[in-house]
Amino acid sequence: GAGVSQSPRYKVAKRGQDVALRCDPISGHVSLFWYQQALGQGPEFLTYFQNEAQLDKSGLPSDRFFAERPEGSVSTLKIQRTQQEDSAVYLCASNSLNEQFFGPGTRLTVL
Amino acid sequence: EDQVTQSPEALRLQEGESSSLNCSYTVSGLRGLFWYRQDPGKGPEFLFTLYSAGEEKEKERLKATLTKKESFLHITAPKPEDSATYLCAVRDNDYKLSFGAGTTVTVRA
Repeated sequence: GAGVSQSPRYKVAKRGQDVALRCDPISGHVSLFWYQQALGQGPEFLTYFQNEAQLDKSGLPSDRFFAERPEGSVSTLKIQRTQQEDSAVYLCASNSLNEQFFGPGTRLTVL
Repeated sequence: EDQVTQSPEALRLQEGESSSLNCSYTVSGLRGLFWYRQDPGKGPEFLFTLYSAGEEKEKERLKATLTKKESFLHITAPKPEDSATYLCAVRDNDYKLSFGAGTTVTVRA
């Protein structure tokens, strides 16, 4: 497809489980972003990659959150030992010039 | 730290009833103000980017304007398909967007 894709679309985890969320950006897009969107709120910046380099991870809420993009295309956001406060929609976006294209998001529910 | 405040939180309109959404911002050096539309269960969809005070952009029934402190999104003669949450975001560097909480617009036929 031509857009940003994310998988899974929905994830239910028990508290304490580790989860991995995948993002496939638009082909050729150098920049990739992860955002967290709580219910009724706007997206909050988590981290930014340029190719395989993670240039900004200032938005990651704790050291339980880890993101990687080893080959400069697909990215994975990993959350270790999930907590209930991690429940949110996780959005991935890739950048072309001045426009960020967003994927549909992964809705994570931690029970 | 960048701050973006959108008002109202929710807006209910009759079809054809024009209105405006407000986005007030505080940023150290604006390098773009962005408007997105978000439908339930979907990611934000890009609408406009504005860069300088006085700039205006239009797309179908939507028109975005920018001043030094705020931006407005005007919806002219809305239709039910314009129902969505409209998000405003600012950028103060080369990449990071700071979003407001959004305005949820409902247009009744």
